[in-house]
Amino acid sequence: ILNVEQSPQSLHVQEGDSTNFTCSFPSSNFYALHWYRWETAKSPEALFVMTLNGDEKKKGRISATLNTKEGYSYLYIKGSQPEDSATYLCAFGNEKLTFGTGTRLTIIP
Amino acid sequence: DTGVSQNPRHKITKRGQNVTFRCDPISEHNRLYWYRQTLGQGPEFLTYFQNEAQLEKSRLLSDRFSAERPKGSFSTLEIQRTEQGDSAMYLCASSPQASDTGELFFGEGSRLTVL
Repeated sequence: ILNVEQSPQSLHVQEGDSTNFTCSFPSSNFYALHWYRWETAKSPEALFVMTLNGDEKKKGRISATLNTKEGYSYLYIKGSQPEDSATYLCAFGNEKLTFGTGTRLTIIP
Repeated sequence: DTGVSQNPRHKITKRGQNVTFRCDPISEHNRLYWYRQTLGQGPEFLTYFQNEAQLEKSRLLSDRFSAERPKGSFSTLEIQRTEQGDSAMYLCASSPQASDTGELFFGEGSRLTVL
């Protein structure tokens, strides 16, 4: 059974501050690590799919890093905005993804 | 709208009744997935299709659950004799068969409440 863990479970951040959270996953038999953003009443939306150790990806104010040898990925949000409020899910695997429980981020205006 | 569409969005039913959810994937996507999310958990894999072939089913999918994708386009997930433990968000996702990124494109989900 694959175990994907995310921390923290929830986070409150002041608007304008930067933040980061963690996803840990099995370091053996790595295929890909996904990050999704899930806003309330909407569909989960892919942020990044990372496959290479040391990979860093960026989309606007959001970036992610990947360490497959030690089994972790960080998601960073710079200068948080209210629209960043969402649950951030990471997922590990190939065709069949195993998801973490998510980090619920609330931006305080 | 060319995204993944799920119906109904909400379903409230009494224990013991049957329910069916429908998913219309993005039209050119060969793969279609069903996931279930319960309170406080991440989405859990249930099953997936490549075209009309069901390639894998999770052990979470008891005999009361059946999924089909008869023509390789839309899919249905039926739950027979619902139980309170079936209350969850049922998510459908699709992806192209040969996707460089492997990312899934999700629908907004169908929320089931079993009374």
